[in-house]
Amino acid sequence: ETGVTQTPRHLVMGMTNKKSLKCEQHLGHNAMYWYKQSAKKPLELMFVYNFKEQTENNSVPSRFSPECPNSSHLFLHLHTLQPEDSALYLCASSLAGGRETQYFGPGTRLLVL
Amino acid sequence: AQTVTQSQPEMSVQEAETVTLSCTYDTSESDYYLFWYKQPPSRQMILVIRQEAYKQQNATENRFSVNFQKAAKSFSLKISDSQLGDAAMYFCAYRSGDNYGQNFVFGPGTRLSVLP
Repeated sequence: ETGVTQTPRHLVMGMTNKKSLKCEQHLGHNAMYWYKQSAKKPLELMFVYNFKEQTENNSVPSRFSPECPNSSHLFLHLHTLQPEDSALYLCASSLAGGRETQYFGPGTRLLVL
Repeated sequence: AQTVTQSQPEMSVQEAETVTLSCTYDTSESDYYLFWYKQPPSRQMILVIRQEAYKQQNATENRFSVNFQKAAKSFSLKISDSQLGDAAMYFCAYRSGDNYGQNFVFGPGTRLSVLP
């Protein structure tokens, strides 16, 4: 596969469940990002990893836990979510550095019941 | 903090016509990058065009061009010869030019409809 892939594409979970979102990039990038996209709200940056190190946590609740085992893989572990966490979660990657363009995955549509 | 504003929640254009989407931003930085991303119904965010703030020449990619007015902090996207496949949400984005550019800010988006 090429580009940035995300699995699953759709996820329905209860508030007591634990699930994980996976992102993989095949572009040789060294920075990865998680975004949340809710209806009628701008895209919200959640986490940033540069060279596997977390360099940004944008005041995200602890029920979201990121993991970046290597520069190609990024996970978002979910537990005890709330219905308001229902959204599209987008992963992106880029080369590290301010001038670099981000490339996005197709997203995971999450519904929390 | 930087902000990005897109004042047109929705726009429509007739096929083959030209449409301009507006974007303004607020920043105190001098080194930054601006982007237009397209998100069609399939949901994959696709880069349309990017502009380096230090470049005076407006970026162009085929039918897509920008009008970058640095003093006015304006960054509009012009789509010429609109096609049905151009229908999507369009997001304007700002990225700081510092070392890791953590400050990547998106506007709220403009939904573009293309009428046959």
